Amino acid sequence: EAGVTQFPSHSVIEKGQTVTLRCDPISGHDNLYWYRRVMGKEIKFLLHFVKESKQDESGMPNNRFLAERTGGTYSTLKVQPAELEDSGVYFCASSQERFYEQFFGPGTRLTVL
Amino acid sequence: AQRVTQPEKLLSVFKGAPVELKCNYSYSGSPELFWYVQYSRQRLQLLLRHISRESIKGFTADLNKGETSFHLKKPFAQEEDSAMYYCALSPSGGYQKVTFGTGTKLQVIP
Repeated sequence: EAGVTQFPSHSVIEKGQTVTLRCDPISGHDNLYWYRRVMGKEIKFLLHFVKESKQDESGMPNNRFLAERTGGTYSTLKVQPAELEDSGVYFCASSQERFYEQFFGPGTRLTVL
Repeated sequence: AQRVTQPEKLLSVFKGAPVELKCNYSYSGSPELFWYVQYSRQRLQLLLRHISRESIKGFTADLNKGETSFHLKKPFAQEEDSAMYYCALSPSGGYQKVTFGTGTKLQVIP
């Protein structure tokens, strides 16, 4: 069974541009999470979807970030416009039930120049 | 506010030596504590959680509520233990929103 997949693996963009990250959870997992690790800092929670609904988006840094999960399958995280401080690794995780183990994807490394 | 502190960015030990990765936390309540590991070129994965009280790959972690610590220990380090280790917590009742520490890189010297 395929694990959580993320696309792209690496993205390099210029400040002010838009980038969309995609996450495909493990099939059948209703819970989907986004995290990010900014250089030298801890991995931080961004938001949690249950199916297509946002359960908790308390970690979203500002309104330049927009997460969607149409149809309750894959999710996208759009950054518009990107700023230098958005550089980091963005992780996606999924779990079958809310209280079950979260399985992580390989991450997308975003570099904003 | 919940917080996880891992004071060491890098820990180098010789093969066969004991390992202790330190973790302290702050949380108003009784959180669930975890250790995650990321081996080179692999994804982040759960190593162990405190409520299961199990030993995984020879690692154990004891929750000390008085000292708010959850240190990870292994009596004899192996080369394959070299990896990045993250201590983490979530609200009582399960995984949900996980708060991570900054991580400790364990380097086992042959």
